[in-house]
Amino acid sequence: GESVGLHLPTLSVQEGDNSIINCAYSNSASDYFIWYKQESGKGPQFIIDIRSNMDKRQGQRVTVLLNKTVKHLSLQIAATQPGDSAVYFCAENDNTNAGKSTFGDGTTLTVKP
Amino acid sequence: NAGVTQTPKFRVLKTGQSMTLLCAQDMNHEYMYWYRQDPGMGLRLIHYSVGEGTTAKGEVPDGYNVSRLKKQNFLLGLESAAPSQTSVYFCASRRTSGRSKFFGPGTRLTVL
Repeated sequence: GESVGLHLPTLSVQEGDNSIINCAYSNSASDYFIWYKQESGKGPQFIIDIRSNMDKRQGQRVTVLLNKTVKHLSLQIAATQPGDSAVYFCAENDNTNAGKSTFGDGTTLTVKP
Repeated sequence: NAGVTQTPKFRVLKTGQSMTLLCAQDMNHEYMYWYRQDPGMGLRLIHYSVGEGTTAKGEVPDGYNVSRLKKQNFLLGLESAAPSQTSVYFCASRRTSGRSKFFGPGTRLTVL
């Protein structure tokens, strides 16, 4: 079946360093991909998305890279801060499917001061 | 705007009891979703709705029912709760033309 998965369940970085969170997907029909951030005790929050016809998209301190050849997605966070500590999920979406998303299992990012 | 709200925040049930979780959104979104999240896992879709009066099954619909009588509300019902339904439940909504979903704060349900 189709699935979206993250390579590492946990990631620990030093404050100020850059973080890279990876995700592999298997559905070639996915129209766009979204990264969500989930802080403890809260619902997921949208960070950034990228359409399947793009390779890279930048936001504030975050960059998402999409490699369709190997079906790989990554989220780069520059100058990681303690407030970035959270669980990060990638989700793939197919616009023909009522916007239903398939979520990966998540990567827990811990930022050490 | 309050965004997406969920009630209750916490609930403990005994096996066999029933309850309804309420989700409300004030953003006039057409699409609404119910997900469950289990420890160490991503979100799994239970049911969803593409508009008032419509509902559809998601990935894990068994044991749940839903209703969307009003555009702003999406109800999730458990008719006979089971311990396997212990989870955190998230509601989300989305504009028809949008891509990202807006999530509520979640309901933590424990079934004993």
